[in-house]
Amino acid sequence: DTGVSQDPRHKITKRGQNVTFRCDPISEHNRLYWYRQTLGQGPEFLTYFQNEAQLEKSRLLSDRFSAERPKGSFSTLEIQRTEQGDSAMYLCASSLTGADVGYFGAGTRLSVL
Amino acid sequence: AQSVTQLDSHVSVSEGTPVLLRCNYSSSYSPSLFWYVQHPNKGLQLLLKYTSAATLVKGINGFEAEFKKSETSFHLTKPSAHMSDAAEYFCVVSDPMDSSYKLIFGSGTRLLVRP
Repeated sequence: DTGVSQDPRHKITKRGQNVTFRCDPISEHNRLYWYRQTLGQGPEFLTYFQNEAQLEKSRLLSDRFSAERPKGSFSTLEIQRTEQGDSAMYLCASSLTGADVGYFGAGTRLSVL
Repeated sequence: AQSVTQLDSHVSVSEGTPVLLRCNYSSSYSPSLFWYVQHPNKGLQLLLKYTSAATLVKGINGFEAEFKKSETSFHLTKPSAHMSDAAEYFCVVSDPMDSSYKLIFGSGTRLLVRP
């Protein structure tokens, strides 16, 4: 068990480009969550999966955002046509069940120039 | 809706002195409450969790928090600060009636520890 892994750790992109982040949860964790943290703020919920099913999406998740979790293992978060306002830390967390404690990855820091 | 308010954006203490990080919550019923710590370039780490059992919750690294329903507070304390405690601390609430169990974070308190 190596914890929740996120890749890349840092991503710099130009406005209008597409980016994709990956999250590898703790093995056998059924729940996987994505959060976004902007500078000076606490993380905000974006979406979550129960196995491969995406069960809830926040209003923060505009149409330019899409998340997948094929086969209920790793997850990807894609942002299309990035905007400067997308610059943030994107955090992934996983838990065995919903009521269990969530374990967070170190995050992917996105900078949109 | 559930929410938490962290009353101080920055707290500065001297090493060896007590730490108090304040948090008030808003909830229609008994929530689940947490404190997480975030060190630079590291993932969020759970310090402690309250889920309607004992009102005084002991966590890791000597931290503890007391749930006070009458005051809607969940303050984090530590008797003696260590330099390694310098980090960002988040008070977090979760609605046990929400099947998503998503976490709602406060805006954070940055703890500075002076030598």
